Amino acid sequence: GAGVSQSPRYKVTKRGQDVTLRCDPISSHATLYWYQQALGQGPEFLTYFNYEAQPDKSGLPSDRFSAERPEGSISTLTIQRTEQRDSAMYRCASSQGTSPYNEQFFGPGTRLTVL
Amino acid sequence: AQSVTQPDIHITVSEGASLELRCNYSYGATPYLFWYVQSPGQGLQLLLKYFSGDTLVQGIKGFEAEFKRSQSSFNLRKPSVHWSDAAEYFCAVGAVETSGSRLTFGEGTQLTVNP
Repeated sequence: GAGVSQSPRYKVTKRGQDVTLRCDPISSHATLYWYQQALGQGPEFLTYFNYEAQPDKSGLPSDRFSAERPEGSISTLTIQRTEQRDSAMYRCASSQGTSPYNEQFFGPGTRLTVL
Repeated sequence: AQSVTQPDIHITVSEGASLELRCNYSYGATPYLFWYVQSPGQGLQLLLKYFSGDTLVQGIKGFEAEFKRSQSSFNLRKPSVHWSDAAEYFCAVGAVETSGSRLTFGEGTQLTVNP
């Protein structure tokens, strides 16, 4: 596609529910990143994919968070048993490769609110 | 671990005035430094980046930034601010030694432009 898209743009859920967020990267991009941005903060790294591989999960806050990219294109981020502290903007970015020379293009984000 | 500090949470300038947004980083090796801008409802957009070489880098929308190793700083500047520059600005450092190119962001500086 022309840019990175994310859906839904807004998600309101009740504590304890599971949610799945979707990221559709730029079609030619091999690398995909997930970031979490709390209100008033900068984005924080969660995990990334290089094609289907997920070399780094170190930023995931707990085992309730998981991400997939089974065909090396679209990715999903799932949060199980959501908690109020999970409320944040979740941003996806894609790039041509893993080098820092490859610009990361960000999507508009999904605003998650856990009641 | 790398870190980024943006000392100014909120800055207000008049249209036409000059602008400087401060950024200090902590990183063990030569840093890869970035400035992003975030407008409401939009994704993060890359303004400029520094990898090596000339310490004064030019970016889009008339922005520039200067890398000062001795001060661990990478301040963003613009000679004359336009009303459309009102947005939130994030400084980021890229980690190279880990796999992938995860970005570590500062907390952001919100820029208000008065007419």
